Amino acid sequence: AQSVTQLGSHVSVSEGALVLLRCNYSSSVPPYLFWYVQYPNQGLQLLLKYTSAATLVKGINGFEAEFKKSETSFHLTKPSAHMSDAAEYFCAVKTGGTYKYIFGTGTRLKVLA
Amino acid sequence: DVKVTQSSRYLVKRTGEKVFLECVQDMDHENMFWYRQDPGLGLRLIYFSYDVKMKEKGDIPEGYSVSREKKERFSLILESASTNQTSMYLCASSLARGTDTQYFGPGTRLTVL
Repeated sequence: AQSVTQLGSHVSVSEGALVLLRCNYSSSVPPYLFWYVQYPNQGLQLLLKYTSAATLVKGINGFEAEFKKSETSFHLTKPSAHMSDAAEYFCAVKTGGTYKYIFGTGTRLKVLA
Repeated sequence: DVKVTQSSRYLVKRTGEKVFLECVQDMDHENMFWYRQDPGLGLRLIYFSYDVKMKEKGDIPEGYSVSREKKERFSLILESASTNQTSMYLCASSLARGTDTQYFGPGTRLTVL
């Protein structure tokens, strides 16, 4: 069975500092992995996705994530946080033979001025 | 751009009422999904549909039913609303299986009194 674990339900960083949001997955077959962002009172928006091409995936708004099979991780990073990055971030996993996406419990990012 | 719309952003209902949540997508997607989102629990799948009139239970279908009479429309029905169904409800759609991204609506915040 697939699962996703996001370490840290709340993360605070200073403006301009590195953003690192952690995601570990469990899957018995090669997974597809996604990061979504949710701004207050909005639905989820795709940031980036891994689909077995390049292990380093670049997304929107300067975010990127690296797929590490040996660590079963797909951590999200951004070199320099901006106030507008304050939001909730969700990691999700899916396998090719299923319809279902499994979501983590989310990490709320706070950016301090 | 894919657009997923939900009939209401905010809804207040009484215990025991029948509640309809409507979702419409405009990109001819085969798959549609209903999730509920609760703090600390992430997104949990209620039902999904992979074709007109086809549906499958997700992880928490109890107390809910769905209807998909047309490809673009997917309805979530609470037969007899209860206070523990107070939540944010998110609709999503995607193309067929594989690596395809889910596109989300803005959500309906339902309060059951």
